Amino acid sequence: DQQVKQNSPSLSVQEGRISILNCDYTNSMFDYFLWYKKYPAEGPTFLISISSIKDKNEDGRFTVFLNKSAKHLSLHIVPSQPGDSAVYFCAASGFYNNNDMRFGAGTRLTVKP
Amino acid sequence: DVKVTQSSRYLVKRTGEKVFLECVQDMDHENMFWYRQDPGLGLRLIYFSYDVKMKEKGDIPEGYSVSREKKERFSLILESASTNQTSMYLCASSLWRTSTDTQYFGPGTRLTVL
Repeated sequence: DQQVKQNSPSLSVQEGRISILNCDYTNSMFDYFLWYKKYPAEGPTFLISISSIKDKNEDGRFTVFLNKSAKHLSLHIVPSQPGDSAVYFCAASGFYNNNDMRFGAGTRLTVKP
Repeated sequence: DVKVTQSSRYLVKRTGEKVFLECVQDMDHENMFWYRQDPGLGLRLIYFSYDVKMKEKGDIPEGYSVSREKKERFSLILESASTNQTSMYLCASSLWRTSTDTQYFGPGTRLTVL
């Protein structure tokens, strides 16, 4: 039972444009949401997170939006750069334990020069 | 700089073999994790450990065991490898247990069981 879903396996955008990656979850007990980025031959690295008490968190070119009523979060990258080309994983967990983290299947983002 | 290393990038084993996957972290982290990553399924937790000699089952522990004799090292053991254990295995560590403690991942071991 996949509690975190990323329905788009891949996304292609032009350099300088906005990239929007989407993620849906089913467990209303999730309180903390994260995005990880993975380059080939490397492990995933933490990118940005948001807790359920917020609806937006921004870090430079990366912004995560959370819509709790819709059980949906999204990652916006503006402007997109070729170096952003990677696989992006959405993850969710309860607030007090990181051992119950659930990951989506990932979205492969390609940013074309 | 934080570092999680895994003993092999690629491994090919035969059905029935005992397989050891090793993970070492140099950050003095309390917690360590083993995940497997399969296409279309994301990362799924196999086992985790909060302390030396402590282990807890994750979502898919069947067919696996773990060992943590030293704080920095966490081993995943496939007692008798099967073809359905062909996968990418990722080790991670975090300082503490709360969700805000970032998990740092190793580069992964791609295991093929023939």
